[in-house]
Amino acid sequence: NAGVTQTPKFQVLKTGQSMTLQCAQDMNHEYMSWYRQDPGMGLRLIHYSVGAGITDQGEVPNGYNVSRSTTEDFPLRLLSAAPSQTSVYFCASSPLRRGSGELFFGEGSRLTVL
Amino acid sequence: DQQVKQNSPSLSVQEGRISILNCDYTNSMFDYFLWYKKYPAEGPTFLISISSIKDKNEDGRFTVFLNKSAKHLSLHIVPSQPGDSAVYFCAASAPSGSRLTFGEGTQLTVNP
Repeated sequence: NAGVTQTPKFQVLKTGQSMTLQCAQDMNHEYMSWYRQDPGMGLRLIHYSVGAGITDQGEVPNGYNVSRSTTEDFPLRLLSAAPSQTSVYFCASSPLRRGSGELFFGEGSRLTVL
Repeated sequence: DQQVKQNSPSLSVQEGRISILNCDYTNSMFDYFLWYKKYPAEGPTFLISISSIKDKNEDGRFTVFLNKSAKHLSLHIVPSQPGDSAVYFCAASAPSGSRLTFGEGTQLTVNP
């Protein structure tokens, strides 16, 4: 059972480039989310989804897009990368329809924007 | 506005002793609290939780205490083991909330 799988694990971008961080879960969880972790700031919610076709903004959504076409996948798109988006990104899912309980996290994707 | 705060960035304890990690919150609507543990190059993993209707929850070596009047919770690890060395995040949520609010994290180091 793979759980939550994120790809790539590492990525280096130049300012202005775009890219997509992939997230897939095989637990049939309705809730999926993206967090970013920065030193001294904990984990901050970027976007979340409570089911296929439904997405909403979190605490720090600017510069990011998401879509949820299937239950399993929840990609995060950086439209025009900026150095401020250098961070470690975590995808998380939950069997609840809301993300306020126990979350299952992926291993993270470390992004550096030059 | 940091609604969940972990004021100690790091904590160092000796193996076998007690580790106490602290967390304060400001939002009185929070009714569910969780602790996550994170090793380097891995995602956070759920450790233990507590509902606001309780003041203590225990799971093996881990106990979480909640003081609602002080808006404070703590995680006790007894006895501490070197394998407990990790970053610990506390998190909180409000009723019917769609998200967890995380603290900044505390790096725990347990020395052999």
